[in-house]
Amino acid sequence: NAGVTQTPKFQVLKTGQSMTLQCAQDMNHNSMYWYRQDPGMGLRLIYYSASEGTTDKGEVPNGYNVSRLNKREFSLRLESAAPSQTSVYFCATRISGDSNQPQHFGEGTRLSIL
Amino acid sequence: AQSVAQPEDQVNVAEGNPLTVKCTYSVSGNPYLFWYVQYPNRGLQFLLKYITGDNLVKGSYGFEAEFNKSQTSFHLKKPSALVSDSALYFCAVRDVYGNKLVFGAGTILRVKS
Repeated sequence: NAGVTQTPKFQVLKTGQSMTLQCAQDMNHNSMYWYRQDPGMGLRLIYYSASEGTTDKGEVPNGYNVSRLNKREFSLRLESAAPSQTSVYFCATRISGDSNQPQHFGEGTRLSIL
Repeated sequence: AQSVAQPEDQVNVAEGNPLTVKCTYSVSGNPYLFWYVQYPNRGLQFLLKYITGDNLVKGSYGFEAEFNKSQTSFHLKKPSALVSDSALYFCAVRDVYGNKLVFGAGTILRVKS
């Protein structure tokens, strides 16, 4: 009963390196989300995908790209990492059709950029 | 635009005492409100939600929340705090289109024995 699985759990990058964060879900949910969490700022939405084949920008999309590979998988890519992207990244999913249902979160990826 | 505010960075309470974690909101239209909890090095877990109906909403782990429309508040409460309740708590509001959540900055709850 995995739910939402994020890989890797930890990563250290050098400035300018690229990196893809993976998210996979076995909940058969249509909507998927990527957030970043920074101290004192709560969670901020980077990108989301309301359904397979669609993606939309959130509050802080600059410096990131996403791919909704299929219904199960939603990846987040940093093309050229910057120290300002040091953060904890969370993937979340939600069943569509009822927007009042809660989101379900993965355990996070802790990313440090030196 | 929808927004939530959590006015306290940290709340300290003694074990066995009642606890309140505050949240106020600003929305256009009907509010749809959520509380989540985050334990150290973990993802967020859903606690409860207010959509419509009774102003007192019951959720997981003995938590409840009181919706107050006139004060635009949705405070999280528990009658008797446990040390294991110590965590980071987030209030969130659904956006007008229903696709996204807007989160508050979070409140650290520390329960001391």
